[in-house]
Amino acid sequence: DGGITQSPKYLFRKEGQNVTLSCEQNLNHDAMYWYRQDPGQGLRLIYYSQIVNDFQKGDIAEGYSVSREKKESFPLTVTSAQKNPTAFYLCATWGQGALASYEQYFGPGTRLTVT
Amino acid sequence: KQEVTQIPAALSVPEGENLVLNCSFTDSAIYNLQWFRQDPGKGLTSLLLIQSSQREQTSGRLNASLDKSSGRSTLYIAASQPGDSATYLCAVRSNDYKLSFGAGTTVTVRA
Repeated sequence: DGGITQSPKYLFRKEGQNVTLSCEQNLNHDAMYWYRQDPGQGLRLIYYSQIVNDFQKGDIAEGYSVSREKKESFPLTVTSAQKNPTAFYLCATWGQGALASYEQYFGPGTRLTVT
Repeated sequence: KQEVTQIPAALSVPEGENLVLNCSFTDSAIYNLQWFRQDPGKGLTSLLLIQSSQREQTSGRLNASLDKSSGRSTLYIAASQPGDSATYLCAVRSNDYKLSFGAGTTVTVRA
């Protein structure tokens, strides 16, 4: 999990409630990402941020919001507008690793269940 | 838009057999390609990274090849063990720095 923490591991919410997923990194990477994973599908990009105070929509941004006030933190809010929020959410960074190559690193994920 | 496909979706082999996992992509203008392992309910762990200028990378029992012109990468796992049971995902980073994922191949190694 290499320096990326996501909390909580499991999250349960009632339909109609907003919920915020935490992502913190100590890798000193500029770029951070949020992905959603559903059974039988590849990861889909929700939002990404290349630098503090800037972020871009990914392929499935509707019903989600983010902020990037600090380099270390990139929280994701799942709003009541997201029609199918139950999924596994993965936070990631992009940066230079031990072998000097640039690659993506992932956190352990948060499983969100909305009933 | 980059499309990444992994076939088969699932694979079951007896212990000791070599594993061959396939990944294909539609746009050959890539920055690099990464293979990840995912255990149930966990995040992704990077296994191998191949830069666009490279043909293959090796780490222990793992070897990954890249053929950009045909849009293919193959992950070979030698002498499989039950601990290799997991889902393996291929991810392609395009030159716009977006990462596109395949749906993964779920591997079961039978003892």
